[in-house]
Amino acid sequence: GAVVSQHPSRVICKSGTSVKIECRSLDFQATTMFWYRQFPKQSLMLMATSNEGSKATYEQGVEKDKFLINHASLTLSTLTVTSAHPEDSSFYICSAGLAGADTQYFGPGTRLTVL
Amino acid sequence: DAKTTQPPSMDCAEGRAANLPCNHSTISGNEYVYWYRQIHSQGPQYIIHGLKNNETNEMASLIITEDRKSSTLILPHATLRDTAVYYCIVRVETGANSKLTFGKGITLSVRP
Repeated sequence: GAVVSQHPSRVICKSGTSVKIECRSLDFQATTMFWYRQFPKQSLMLMATSNEGSKATYEQGVEKDKFLINHASLTLSTLTVTSAHPEDSSFYICSAGLAGADTQYFGPGTRLTVL
Repeated sequence: DAKTTQPPSMDCAEGRAANLPCNHSTISGNEYVYWYRQIHSQGPQYIIHGLKNNETNEMASLIITEDRKSSTLILPHATLRDTAVYYCIVRVETGANSKLTFGKGITLSVRP
């Protein structure tokens, strides 16, 4: 089956620093990847849609200058949380679409803790 | 996309069938019903999807009522590893590049 990986799985950083999270489709090419955020005991909230070779589309209320998304290749999308603050602490999950399939495949998630 | 409503939680005994209901009374004719699940601290996992007909795969069966206003996900022989949050999602497009909108889901607890 299609596999999506994320790196790192966990990250702890100090307030004010930037953190980069990678999302890779390991055995397929994905023209579109999605980034979600999940706070404790809540559902997944879509943050943005990442399209290879073009600018990401952000959901309402998501700051594009704070959450930088780069989708430079068909197998890699990155999410950079800039100037992270404790309220950015969350579980970040990406998904990738497999061309010709009817669904998306999700990565294992990245737990971000901002001190 | 149409909204769905699911009970917040349910439980079942290991080895028994787990029947997870979902209401989507405002579903449109071109909207599909998708089910995903999320085991604690992991990314969601695709289970099954359908439009009108009942569907079955190696993981589960999906029963959609004739009026399409509700559906049931059936795990035929639940195991402890099936304990998870199950999300019922309806969306217009199939295809890998259309976004998914997650609701609160139903927490299934499988007891020994």
